[in-house]
Amino acid sequence: KAGVTQTPRYLIKTRGQQVTLSCSPISGHRSVSWYQQTPGQGLQFLFEYFSETQRNKGNFPGRFSGRQFSNSRSEMNVSTLELGDSALYLCASSSDREQFFGPGTRLTVL
Amino acid sequence: GQSLEQPSEVTAVEGAIVQINCTYQTSGFYGLSWYQQHDGGAPTFLSYNALDGLEETGRFSSFLSRSDSYGYLLLQELQMKDSASYFCAVQGSQGNLIFGKGTKLSVKP
Repeated sequence: KAGVTQTPRYLIKTRGQQVTLSCSPISGHRSVSWYQQTPGQGLQFLFEYFSETQRNKGNFPGRFSGRQFSNSRSEMNVSTLELGDSALYLCASSSDREQFFGPGTRLTVL
Repeated sequence: GQSLEQPSEVTAVEGAIVQINCTYQTSGFYGLSWYQQHDGGAPTFLSYNALDGLEETGRFSSFLSRSDSYGYLLLQELQMKDSASYFCAVQGSQGNLIFGKGTKLSVKP
């Protein structure tokens, strides 16, 4: 089975712009979760989608949003980018108790 | 709220045994997981404990005490390739994972 894939792997944006990140889960996995990882805050949960519905949401502002398509692929969008949004964005698809992470998208906001 | 505490850094020598502790506070508890992340890599699953006791997987073992809200990851016969960050994570009542801030393990020759 192919693993979790994320595109793009690297992205540079400027403040005020918006960005869309994509995640393709492992075939057959219906749950996709998104995390933000920064050196100071570790891995922070953004949201989880299951069968096209947001099932869970972390404590991030409304600028962070996501969606899931019928093929389980997921996108997350960040609008009005701020310098503090620079981070590694990881998505994970899950099967039972184990989460399988993608390689992440490294977002740099200038 | 939910929070997890683990040491920020641990150093050990090759061949030694190291224990990484994790204490947690959660409103609902459904299991404690451990993940390993090498620099530049993605987190990978190591172990999961839902019940009290020790789970062993090769050189790695994980322990849970629900009454103490405490768990640990034990790494034996340390190898240089074990140098990585290790995260404990709690599964909340709605299924999402809450991660600790990670413990950076450095293995010295």
